[in-house]
Amino acid sequence: DVKVTQSSRYLVKRTGEKVFLECVQDMDHENMFWYRQDPGLGLRLIYFSYDVKMKEKGDIPEGYSVSREKKERFSLILESASTNQTSMYLCASSYLGGGYNEQFFGPGTRLTVL
Amino acid sequence: GDSVTQMEGPVTLSEEAFLTINCTYTATGYPSLFWYVQYPGEGLQLLLKATKADDKGSNKGFEATYRKETTSFHLEKGSVQVSDSAVYFCALKTQGGSEKLVFGKGTKLTVNP
Repeated sequence: DVKVTQSSRYLVKRTGEKVFLECVQDMDHENMFWYRQDPGLGLRLIYFSYDVKMKEKGDIPEGYSVSREKKERFSLILESASTNQTSMYLCASSYLGGGYNEQFFGPGTRLTVL
Repeated sequence: GDSVTQMEGPVTLSEEAFLTINCTYTATGYPSLFWYVQYPGEGLQLLLKATKADDKGSNKGFEATYRKETTSFHLEKGSVQVSDSAVYFCALKTQGGSEKLVFGKGTKLTVNP
């Protein structure tokens, strides 16, 4: 079974802190994604990566950066956390190419910024 | 741009009731269509998919048919169970384009015994 793991299920940080969210997948997928999920807004794509060291902005990249140094690991970085970044963060991965490749999701990290 | 519109919830049903969650899309060409489900406290998991017009995806008693003429992919189940309580997301992936999925906003389903 494909497994996507996220470093924390729950995280509480203070405004201004630098926050790292880690995601690891074990299926040698080329693509990895970071979403945030908010009530009434669904899932919004923050960043995605289709290869090591490659990244593309999603719909809401402001306030975030990402790092992909190894194929299996994709990190989301909040340089200076703010209260409006309190949310559920979901990581996903998929194979590159093909019209029907499903994305596999991790369990999510619920981040609270105080 | 591409978009997905799904019926707003929440939806509350009694066990064994019939379920329909409407989903319509806007996209160029022939996108692939998906339904994902998120059970409480978990990430999303693929429920079913369809890759071309008139395809029917099915899984766990759920079905959805890719209707090109109405640009729809409605989710149905004949008899829901309490364990079906979850949030359901409709999504599309553009043909030949980006690897990204475009999601609807989700519909929360609660099934009461």
